[in-house]
Amino acid sequence: EVRLVESGGGFVHPGGSLRLSCAASGFNFTTSEVHWVRQAPGKGLEWVSYIHSTGHSIYYAESVKGRFTISRDNAKKSLYLQMDSLRVEDTAVYYCARHSTTSFYMDVWGSGTTVTVSS
Amino acid sequence: SYEVTQSLSVSVAPGQTANILCGGTNIGSKNVHWYQQRPGQAPVLVMYDNTKRPSGIPERFSGSNSGDTATLTISRAQAGDEADYYCQVWASYTVVFGGGTKLTVL
Repeated sequence: EVRLVESGGGFVHPGGSLRLSCAASGFNFTTSEVHWVRQAPGKGLEWVSYIHSTGHSIYYAESVKGRFTISRDNAKKSLYLQMDSLRVEDTAVYYCARHSTTSFYMDVWGSGTTVTVSS
Repeated sequence: SYEVTQSLSVSVAPGQTANILCGGTNIGSKNVHWYQQRPGQAPVLVMYDNTKRPSGIPERFSGSNSGDTATLTISRAQAGDEADYYCQVWASYTVVFGGGTKLTVL
């Protein structure tokens, strides 16, 4: 079964840091491109970041550029999101999602991990 | 930056047809993808490349894209189709989501 399982969410104060992880199984993670997408409470989906299978191409949304860092460990079949200088507006459910091999969409999603930034 | 717009809500009677729109400048030149998200669940892909259904998605779901509007059409709507629907495009090395449309079947 193709699965993505996020972890690492929690409560953090503004200005703090958190590292999210996403464990992949059931498919060849080494050749897969992946994304982070978030959803603030009661709001829509917001794309956060993308990383190529090799890690050599990385893109970020403007809202997180300079504060978040995406990375991956293909040997561990894992995706990461290092989140620094967190703001209240970063409060959201964070999903990892697999990029399709044929076009620019996400064909598999994890169930998400919740990040709460509050004073 | 490229923007896509969706109406906040659409209502449909059971058994009727719902059209969920996604607007953007010349969006017809892009591939549009659609996700369904039920309350408390992760998004699920229901349409990709404008008109293609992933395996497991009923034939009642169809899509089109032309000019400045892409459309997700749900025929013979059922109570189980109630959800938020998001359109998505790829533009300038970023993923762009529409704001989402809440479909109510009543």
